[in-house]
Amino acid sequence: DTGVSQDPRHKITKRGQNVTFRCDPISEHNRLYWYRQTLGQGPEFLTYFQNEAQLEKSRLLSDRFSAERPKGSFSTLEIQRTEQGDSAMYLCASSPGTGVLLAFFGQGTRLTVV
Amino acid sequence: AQKVTQAQTEISVVEKEDVTLDCVYETRDTTYYLFWYKQPPSGELVFLIRRNSFDEQNEISGRYSWNFQKSTSSFNFTITASQVVDSAVYFCALDSGAGSYQLTFGKGTKLSVIP
Repeated sequence: DTGVSQDPRHKITKRGQNVTFRCDPISEHNRLYWYRQTLGQGPEFLTYFQNEAQLEKSRLLSDRFSAERPKGSFSTLEIQRTEQGDSAMYLCASSPGTGVLLAFFGQGTRLTVV
Repeated sequence: AQKVTQAQTEISVVEKEDVTLDCVYETRDTTYYLFWYKQPPSGELVFLIRRNSFDEQNEISGRYSWNFQKSTSSFNFTITASQVVDSAVYFCALDSGAGSYQLTFGKGTKLSVIP
């Protein structure tokens, strides 16, 4: 499978716990994006990376959220001290980079905070 | 600020009917990109089309067609002879063209095609 891969697909956690999600982009895609989608809404931009550099962050990304992309390959999104409002689908996308504005999305990680 | 409005929350059609999904956008940018994505129950967003603001030609791809009208800030999507496999949530999205690919999505239209 050469598409964007996200792990896990589903995560149930208790309020206050920390969770970490992983995204493996399409090989050689140097841009990677994280979006959040709540029920009945469209995806909302969270952050993006150009290689290993995190170039943009949304105001939605509170200080409980942190994203990394070591070595410009896979990325992780960590949420600390989860709250019920964090329950959502977290979508990752990758694209080939400048000049080609075309992103491919993974199947997402559905987080439920109980 | 950018905004995308998909006024139709849910649409139901009978198989083989044509259906049009509406999308109206707002942006102050002169260069921008418009997209349509399909989200089946599996959750993955499937890219359908990208159109830049300088290209107002309508496009047809099989049973899919798109009508871009800059004068009314609309980018509507028509499915001809709908099929049950077309059932999904469809999202219209806008990118400012600044190269960040920070897409602004509408709330989506849930299409149900009834056999």
